[in-house]
Amino acid sequence: QVQLQQWGAGLLKPSGTLSLTCAVSGGSFGGYYWTWIRQPPGKGLEWIGEINHWGTSKYKPSLRSRVTMSVDTPKNQFSLRLTSVTAADTATYFCARVAKDRGADYWGQGTLVTVSS
Amino acid sequence: QSVLTQPPSVSGAPGQTVTISCTGSSSNIGEGYVVHWYQQVPRAAPKLLIFGNTNRPSGVPDRFSGSKSGTSASLAITGLQAEDEADYYCQSYDSSLSDWVFGGGTKLTVL
Repeated sequence: QVQLQQWGAGLLKPSGTLSLTCAVSGGSFGGYYWTWIRQPPGKGLEWIGEINHWGTSKYKPSLRSRVTMSVDTPKNQFSLRLTSVTAADTATYFCARVAKDRGADYWGQGTLVTVSS
Repeated sequence: QSVLTQPPSVSGAPGQTVTISCTGSSSNIGEGYVVHWYQQVPRAAPKLLIFGNTNRPSGVPDRFSGSKSGTSASLAITGLQAEDEADYYCQSYDSSLSDWVFGGGTKLTVL
């Protein structure tokens, strides 16, 4: 059974850096797009970006200047860094596994990240 | 303002059928990009319900079905059950935005 377990700091100050990591177990790490999606409180879903096991990444255009994703293939982990955070970045952040044209079929449990002074 | 448009809410009595629409444009659904549907109950991660317009992942009841036509897609839920009460999101890709796009979500209430 594929499982995604994520962790990272839940409270940040404005201008700080968000850092989250997601560990994948129970399945292959190759052949998928490892994805981050966020959801502001009470609002809808927003794709942040994706990375494959080779480290090839693609980011949401409006976040591209602040986002970096990385992958640690031997550990089956991938990470998200978002710099210069503001209150607008307050959201629950989810990691997810995506196969081409098959949607996000496995999700992490979500991490609520609050940006507040 | 979401790129994909969904009704904010729908409702139905147990046993009834409801349909949730997802309207896009020529740069996403109309361009042939596939549509996926997710179900999200409060305080939980979304769950993949339909992928590739019409396909159900293993374990999803056949009461859930997806369709696509032109620039729109739909999710139909037959034989409504209380446990179906949740938020539902459609998702596709938009070539002009170079971005995944989601609908704003539809809250299903089972009366």
